[in-house]
Amino acid sequence: QVQLVESGGGVVQPGGSLRLSCAGSGFSFSSYAMHWVRQAPGKGLEWVSLISHDGNEQYYADSVRGRFSISRDNSRNMLHMQMNSLTTEDTALYYCARGMGDSKPRSRYFEDWGQGTLVTVSS
Amino acid sequence: QMTQSPSSVSASVGDRVTITCRASQGSGSWFAWYQQKPGEAPKLLIYGASSLQSGVPSRFSGSGSGTDFTLTISSLQPEDFATYYCQQAGSFPLTFGGGTKVEIK
Repeated sequence: QVQLVESGGGVVQPGGSLRLSCAGSGFSFSSYAMHWVRQAPGKGLEWVSLISHDGNEQYYADSVRGRFSISRDNSRNMLHMQMNSLTTEDTALYYCARGMGDSKPRSRYFEDWGQGTLVTVSS
Repeated sequence: QMTQSPSSVSASVGDRVTITCRASQGSGSWFAWYQQKPGEAPKLLIYGASSLQSGVPSRFSGSGSGTDFTLTISSLQPEDFATYYCQQAGSFPLTFGGGTKVEIK
């Protein structure tokens, strides 16, 4: 079955950097668009970023554009998110999510989710 | 911008529950609904405004197009008490509604 396992979260000071990773298994990783979605403690869901199946297209939320960078390694079935210039507003549980394929609009729905990795930005 | 209502609803087992979402701009039928239980990741229920995701009980249904969308639970079951989110997929940035918490009356 589909498995998505996030890692890389932790506590970081404001202005710091962190790199999140997501390992995918149980499906043809290179055939699917992938997303990061976050949820601040006690709050709702916020889409962060999408990368196409081949890595050629990336999209970002306005709140992270220019600071976060999404990438993928299809040879290793891995998704990454490099997060720079972190602020307290970035504190959240970060989910890796699989799109429903790679063609729109299905790629823009979140069909499977990991359990998340917690990022805490605090001095 | 997505406006989801109500923000919470108290209901009993067997009740019919309706949740609505209004988008600030049209998204055609590119719309989804998710269920999230405490401590769990969200789960896709409905996509394409009205298509039921595989494995989701038929008491869940979705309708609407353009800017106004509805999720209906025809007969609430104990396992349905959760928070529900709408999501538009018509344009970037992809956006979610604020959530509706369905609580036990």
